[in-house]
Amino acid sequence: GENVEQHPSTLSVQEGDSAVIKCTYSDSASNYFPWYKQELGKRPQLIIDIRSNVGEKKDQRIAVTLNKTAKHFSLHITETQPEDSAVYFCAASRGSYIPTFGRGTSLIVHP
Amino acid sequence: EAGVTQFPSHSVIEKGQTVTLRCDPISGHDNLYWYRRVMGKEIKFLLHFVKESKQDESGMPNNRFLAERTGGTYSTLKVQPAELEDSGVYFCASSQVTGGTEAFFGQGTRLTVV
Repeated sequence: GENVEQHPSTLSVQEGDSAVIKCTYSDSASNYFPWYKQELGKRPQLIIDIRSNVGEKKDQRIAVTLNKTAKHFSLHITETQPEDSAVYFCAASRGSYIPTFGRGTSLIVHP
Repeated sequence: EAGVTQFPSHSVIEKGQTVTLRCDPISGHDNLYWYRRVMGKEIKFLLHFVKESKQDESGMPNNRFLAERTGGTYSTLKVQPAELEDSGVYFCASSQVTGGTEAFFGQGTRLTVV
């Protein structure tokens, strides 16, 4: 089955800095890679996703890159703000298979 | 439109007791998933329903866990008898199609077994 590794487990940055979270996956057939954000006490919510036919996708201050050859994908947040503080989960899936999630990264943005 | 709702939000039970968690998916979503997150670890898949049928229950840890989705609407996850290692946050999610699309999560049930 699929195995997703996520790093780092904790990331602390100053407001305005960039943050990068990296994930690797094991199943070369995986073709859908969503990222979820879980704020304290709230439900995980999809913030961005990428499919295997695309190398990069941006949405305002958030971007995701995918390297299919190396089987890794990353979440980039620029100009971080305190409200970006949350736990971020990456996931990978293929076709109709259930997404496999990483262990999460706790991002702390200091004002 | 209401999102995925889970009940209760928190549950503290003693080892050996029984607990039943409930999930109401988004209306019209045939796919319903149960996940569990133990502190600091990944959101781990437990099982997947398509309507009332169990499509994949490979993630269920043992036979102390029983999930049902009668009528293909809401789902329950029963833990009987509960053990200390069952503590964690149990998430339910639903989606219109299987895989390759956004799964909508509930807020989770935090289960503590003491």
